[in-house]
Amino acid sequence: AQKITQTQPGMFVQEKEAVTLDCTYDTSDPSYGLFWYKQPSSGEMIFLIYQGSYDQQNATEGRYSLNFQKARKSANLVISASQLGDSAMYFCAMSELWNNDMRFGAGTRLTVKP
Amino acid sequence: EADIYQTPRYLVIGTGKKITLECSQTMGHDKMYWYQQDPGMELHLIHYSYGVNSTEKGDLSSESTVSRIRTEHFPLTLESARPSHTSQYLCASSGTAIYGYTFGSGTRLTVV
Repeated sequence: AQKITQTQPGMFVQEKEAVTLDCTYDTSDPSYGLFWYKQPSSGEMIFLIYQGSYDQQNATEGRYSLNFQKARKSANLVISASQLGDSAMYFCAMSELWNNDMRFGAGTRLTVKP
Repeated sequence: EADIYQTPRYLVIGTGKKITLECSQTMGHDKMYWYQQDPGMELHLIHYSYGVNSTEKGDLSSESTVSRIRTEHFPLTLESARPSHTSQYLCASSGTAIYGYTFGSGTRLTVV
C-alpha cells in the first residue's frame, strides 16, 4: 500500500527567502506520479506541481520546484522567494498510475513572516 | 472558471436534519471522490466512484451515502446530521493521473 509522509507539521520562513517542505513516499509500483497542493485558509485545494516517476529532470513551475530523489523516495517542494500569500497548508500526494487513486500526506502548515 | 462545482459553500444545520451536498463536474471525468477534512488537518477519503452506478466506501468510515446516476454528478447525503459531522467536505474528480485531481471549493458543514 502506498504511503505519504510529511514530517513537518509547521514551518516558518522569512519573506523573500526559500523554504523546503519535506515529503517521502512508499510504493512498490515503478509507475507513479507525485503532486503538491496548496490549501489556503479559504479551504480550496490548488494544484501546484507534478513529477512523474520516470521524469529525468526535477519539475519546476514558476517559484515552485520539486526536488525528486527517487532512490530515497523523497519529493520535497522548494518555494523560492517566499511571499506572504504563500502562507497555507501544503499537501504532498501520490498516485500509482495503474489505478489513479491519490493518497495524501498529513500536510505542512507554512507561515511566511514579513 | 471552475470545472467542478460544490454547493452549498457553507451550511449550518440542526441535528437530525437530512442534507445533500452537491458536486458536479463538466470535464467528463469518470472518477470522482469525496474527502472529509477537519480544519488544518489531513484529508480522509470517505467515498469514491469510478463511473456511473459505481460507488465505493473510502478509508474513513462515514455515515454518509453517495450516488452516481450521471457522470457529471456525485452528491453526498447525510440522512440525519449530527454535530460530529461538522467538517469540510471536498469533492474531486480525475481524468488521468498526469493532471492529478481537480478539486471543488469545498462545503463547510456545521451541525448544531
